[in-house]
Amino acid sequence: NAGVTQTPKFRVLKTGQSMTLLCAQDMNHEYMYWYRQDPGMGLRLIHYSVGEGTTAKGEVPDGYNVSRLKKQNFLLGLESAAPSQTSVYFCASSYSPSGPPDTQYFGPGTRLTVL
Amino acid sequence: AQSVAQPEDQVNVAEGNPLTVKCTYSVSGNPYLFWYVQYPNRGLQFLLKYITGDNLVKGSYGFEAEFNKSQTSFHLKKPSALVSDSALYFCAVRDIQAAGNKLTFGGGTRVLVKP
Repeated sequence: NAGVTQTPKFRVLKTGQSMTLLCAQDMNHEYMYWYRQDPGMGLRLIHYSVGEGTTAKGEVPDGYNVSRLKKQNFLLGLESAAPSQTSVYFCASSYSPSGPPDTQYFGPGTRLTVL
Repeated sequence: AQSVAQPEDQVNVAEGNPLTVKCTYSVSGNPYLFWYVQYPNRGLQFLLKYITGDNLVKGSYGFEAEFNKSQTSFHLKKPSALVSDSALYFCAVRDIQAAGNKLTFGGGTRVLVKP
């Protein structure tokens, strides 16, 4: 049981390049999330998904797109990277679609630098 | 809207002394509250959560937190800090009326435990 995994761990892009971050979970969780972490700002939600084939915008969605084609995977795309997207990106997943909220489980993070 | 405030950027404490990390929240309804810890170059790890019931919640690694509705606070405590407790701590809140199990995180408090 690997939990939540993220690929890649590190990446350096030039302004205008594109890339996709992959998140995978093996806990059969319904909900998945993408956050970015910047110094002093905590974690901010980019996009989230409440089930396979569904996505929704979070707090800071601009410049990012996501897809959830399979329940276990949640992809975060940057179509045209900008220096402001330099950050550490975390994926998380949780189960409970109703009732008391379940704990969100986090991946190890992807450190992205945009030059 | 929901929000979380962690008023201290850093807390310094001597090993063996009590540790307190402060958190206050704002939600329109009843809150679900969480504490996470992040060690260097790692993802967030769940410590504890308050859903309902007893105001004193016990969690992992000897940590506990007290829910105070009148003060809208959820401070994290440990009776005797260890050097290995040095890390970044995040408080998070979910409004039970919010869809998607979305959490709002505070900015984080860095804890430094000195030998």
